Amino acid sequence: QSALTQPRSVSGSPGQSVTISCTGTSSDVGAYNYVSWYQQHPGKAPKLMIYDVSQRPSGVPDRFSGSKSGNTASLTISGLQAEDEADYYCCSYAGTFHVVFGGGTNLTVL
Amino acid sequence: QLQLQESGPGLVKPSETLSLTCTVSGGSLSSTIYYWGWIRQPPGKGLEWIGSIYYSGSTYYNPSLKSRLTISVDTSKNQFSLKLTSVTAADTAVYYCARGLYSSSWYPPDYWGQGTLVTVFS
Repeated sequence: QSALTQPRSVSGSPGQSVTISCTGTSSDVGAYNYVSWYQQHPGKAPKLMIYDVSQRPSGVPDRFSGSKSGNTASLTISGLQAEDEADYYCCSYAGTFHVVFGGGTNLTVL
Repeated sequence: QLQLQESGPGLVKPSETLSLTCTVSGGSLSSTIYYWGWIRQPPGKGLEWIGSIYYSGSTYYNPSLKSRLTISVDTSKNQFSLKLTSVTAADTAVYYCARGLYSSSWYPPDYWGQGTLVTVFS
């Protein structure tokens, strides 16, 4: 199992939108609609922001949205806010209860 | 409110066994619709899925760790545990326990412990 590929960093100004990509293979991202996204602030546990490609858990702002095309999933954050500055990790089910994470993307709000 | 709390030694010597316990409160390990997992994060690096255990007792391990890994459950104490043998410096990480839902479909972990740092150091 190889880690999913994410950009190391992205940035945007308050109010703008940013998109983080997550590229896997036909055995994980491409095979299942079980892509999720986590937000992690320094020293904190990851927080689930998106599951099943595009579903938001209760309490997650609708500024966060997810999508998938083929072997690549994306997280879009619109109306960037200062508190969105964090690391973001994609996660995919890879069959037989195996799970793989992306390498993480650091989001800077300029 | 469900809470998970990791516990165990913060320092482990190379070649020895890393043992951690996750204590669950506000929920039952006996529930048939949840799975319990371990995830780790080396300092300054990304997340790595370690493995998971389901209510049936079935375990699923990261292939890269499978030969050294055991995950078990003690329902009487509402705890689940991780044992990783023959550790090296590469096993130094913050270890998280977490809960996910499995009910006809798989869902990613939505409840996580705060994490515990384990350093492999001689």
